[in-house]
Amino acid sequence: GIQVEQSPPDLILQEGANSTLRCNFSDSVNNLQWFHQNPWGQLINLFYIPSGTKQNGRLSATTVATERYSLLYISSSQTTDSGVYFCAVTDQAGTALIFGKGTTLSVSS
Amino acid sequence: GAVVSQHPSWVICKSGTSVKIECRSLDFQATTMFWYRQFPKQSLMLMATSNEGSKATYEQGVEKDKFLINHASLTLSTLTVTSAHPEDSSFYICSARRDSKNEKLFFGSGTQLSVL
Repeated sequence: GIQVEQSPPDLILQEGANSTLRCNFSDSVNNLQWFHQNPWGQLINLFYIPSGTKQNGRLSATTVATERYSLLYISSSQTTDSGVYFCAVTDQAGTALIFGKGTTLSVSS
Repeated sequence: GAVVSQHPSWVICKSGTSVKIECRSLDFQATTMFWYRQFPKQSLMLMATSNEGSKATYEQGVEKDKFLINHASLTLSTLTVTSAHPEDSSFYICSARRDSKNEKLFFGSGTQLSVL
């Protein structure tokens, strides 16, 4: 099945810093979503982005489908950005999302 | 936006008992629903895929007799953990898709199961 790799596994930032999270996948995808999991376990959908670029406030994402990677940018990070960020994809044949191992972000004031 | 409701949010049960978790799509019909499991500080692992009116498809290594999935309507899927044991303690999350294979998935808020 499709493999999803996220990097870095952990990231520690000072408030106000910018960061880039990466997601590599091993095959063509029909669907790619970025999530933020809050401390209560809830998955917050950030982007549905199988290709192209999207922006939402301080967050933006780019997926280059032909090169099999996606990037999540967080600018001017805040302590509330802390948590685990997951990338998840669906391959051409599948229907379910397959998750990467996540990037744990810690933002300190 | 599409809303997926999952209940209960947390449950504590004794070893040997069964626990049922419900997943409802509140404002859309979900042709396909998915169940995931997440251990502490780990990623979400797909357990099974269920389509309305048909048997669920389980991922390799997931015991179908232990984790019973019923998708009886287009808005409700249930996961029953039968004869629960402490090793079944985990965070369970459901998700739903409306129709198109390429549509994004919507997730419930999860259920924390603790088996004593």
